[in-house]
Amino acid sequence: AQSVAQPEDQVNVAEGNPLTVKCTYSVSGNPYLFWYVQYPNRGLQFLLKYITGDNLVKGSYGFEAEFNKSQTSFHLKKPSALVSDSALYFCAVRVLNTGKLIFGQGTTLQVKP
Amino acid sequence: EADIYQTPRYLVIGTGKKITLECSQTMGHDKMYWYQQDPGMELHLIHYSYGVNSTEKGDLSSESTVSRIRTEHFPLTLESARPSHTSQYLCASELAGGIEQFFGPGTRLTVL
Repeated sequence: AQSVAQPEDQVNVAEGNPLTVKCTYSVSGNPYLFWYVQYPNRGLQFLLKYITGDNLVKGSYGFEAEFNKSQTSFHLKKPSALVSDSALYFCAVRVLNTGKLIFGQGTTLQVKP
Repeated sequence: EADIYQTPRYLVIGTGKKITLECSQTMGHDKMYWYQQDPGMELHLIHYSYGVNSTEKGDLSSESTVSRIRTEHFPLTLESARPSHTSQYLCASELAGGIEQFFGPGTRLTVL
């Protein structure tokens, strides 16, 4: 069965410091992986995706993610966190041959000034 | 910002009421999805549609039903709401042959 795990419920970083939000996946075949962000009382906003190619994927708002096939991970990163990055982050994997997304449980990112 | 809309944004109703949550998109997307986001914030797929007159149940069992009579419209109905239906409901759409899903702002439903 395909699954996504986000091992941290919450990540706390100071503004200006680098941040990492972790994601691991379990799929058969080559994965399509996504990161979404959710601000309070809003829907999900797409950040970035990995389909194939370069293992380092760049996305919106200065975020990037590194695909690591051997570790089955797709960690979200940003070199310098902003207070406005504070939100709920979801990693997701697409079920092949369907449009269905399987989401991780979400990680709350708290960036303190 | 994606052109996908959900109404109402917030709804508080009593047990036993029939409700319809509206979702519409102006992007001409063939695929549409409903997700339920529980208080623990995890999202689960409850319904999806690959086109007009096509609807399927998702991974999480739900007492709700959906219809897809028009491409742009994918309403979700609860015939008799219960407190266990209290949740946030997120609608999404995707272009046929596309990869990325676009999400609406969600409807937060509270059943008393």
